[in-house]
Amino acid sequence: EDQVTQSPEALRLQEGESSSLNCSYTVSGLRGLFWYRQDPGKGPEFLFTLYSAGEEKEKERLKATLTKKESFLHITAPKPEDSATYLCAVPMDSNYQLIWGAGTKLIIKP
Amino acid sequence: DAGITQSPRHKVTETGTPVTLRCHQTENHRYMYWYRQDPGHGLRLIHYSYGVKDTDKGEVSDGYSVSRSKTEDFLLTLESATSSQTSVYFCAISPGPHGAKNIQYFGAGTRLSVL
Repeated sequence: EDQVTQSPEALRLQEGESSSLNCSYTVSGLRGLFWYRQDPGKGPEFLFTLYSAGEEKEKERLKATLTKKESFLHITAPKPEDSATYLCAVPMDSNYQLIWGAGTKLIIKP
Repeated sequence: DAGITQSPRHKVTETGTPVTLRCHQTENHRYMYWYRQDPGHGLRLIHYSYGVKDTDKGEVSDGYSVSRSKTEDFLLTLESATSSQTSVYFCAISPGPHGAKNIQYFGAGTRLSVL
């Protein structure tokens, strides 16, 4: 069964404390992986797409990496404005619909 | 929100009443989607459309219907709302097929409460 699991469910960090979020997936043939950010009361906002193992992408304090079975979203020296829920999604094997993880809620304390 | 407007933004209704949510886009994207988001779950696809009058079911389509009479509008209807349909509903659009290299862009959501 196609599945996407994100961990941890929630993460509290002090401002400047770097860490990583995990997205693991079970699809037989990877057709890409998407990371989104979601602020309270808003829709998800696209961050990155990764297509092949070993690929990395960066945006400000965020860097996304991809292996054959999981992706990491590394947050370096985060600021309070990085607080949000981070979602990942992968296309399903059968029909290219996206299957979504439940998200990691990140809280950065000043 | 990438030229996507959802209406209403909030709605409270009673069990058994019909409800229609609207998604309007100004991007001329071919694909449109309706998702629901519930605590502890990832976004779950309800229905999607790949063109005017072309729609298909998603993972959680029971109790929902959709219509697309114009490229820019995608309607989600709950024929007889139930409490289990209390959720936040998101519309998304993309220029091409879901997955692959076509990024989905989301509206701001509609918070629906069924009492």
